Amino acid sequence: AQSVTQPDIHITVSEGASLELRCNYSYGATPYLFWYVQSPGQGLQLLLKYFSGDTLVQGIKGFEAEFKRSQSSFNLRKPSVHWSDAAEYFCAVGGATNKLIFGTGTLLAVQP
Amino acid sequence: DAGVTQSPTHLIKTRGQQVTLRCSPKSGHDTVSWYQQALGQGPQFIFQYYEEEERQRGNFPDRFSGHQFPNYSSELNVNALLLGDSALYLCASSVPGLGKETQYFGPGTRLLVL
Repeated sequence: AQSVTQPDIHITVSEGASLELRCNYSYGATPYLFWYVQSPGQGLQLLLKYFSGDTLVQGIKGFEAEFKRSQSSFNLRKPSVHWSDAAEYFCAVGGATNKLIFGTGTLLAVQP
Repeated sequence: DAGVTQSPTHLIKTRGQQVTLRCSPKSGHDTVSWYQQALGQGPQFIFQYYEEEERQRGNFPDRFSGHQFPNYSSELNVNALLLGDSALYLCASSVPGLGKETQYFGPGTRLLVL
């Protein structure tokens, strides 16, 4: 079955600290992977995507993610978190069907 | 460059009623997908339209139907509303690319069914 697991429902980090949000996927074909961010009451904004090639991808707002096929993971990282990064983060997998399957999200809180 | 727009932003309906939500895709995009996001959940795929045809569908009942117009805008219709249909409905647009398509999302329409 195709699925995305985000094991951390809620994470709190201090401003300036590093961040890693976990994402594991199950997908029978070549996966295309995405991270989106959602601020309260808003739609989804694309942070970054992976289709092929270099397994370390850079995105907007200083985020990066690493695709590890052997671990079926696509974790999101940021070296130094800003208060404005507080939001909900969604990992998604797609493929040739072009249907996105989302995880349940990780809510990030940033302490001053 | 206008992004994906959706209307209305909020909507309140009662059980059994019908609702129509609207979406205009990003300029240059001809594919529209609809997702339902219940509170505390990730978005769930409803269906996708391309060239005015439903290209694929998720696990949603026939009460959920859609339409795409020649200008690529789209409507989502839900009949016989249930309390469980209360959710944020997201529209996303893209350009076909054999799966390597990036979907850009609108702000959503929040539907409350009483």
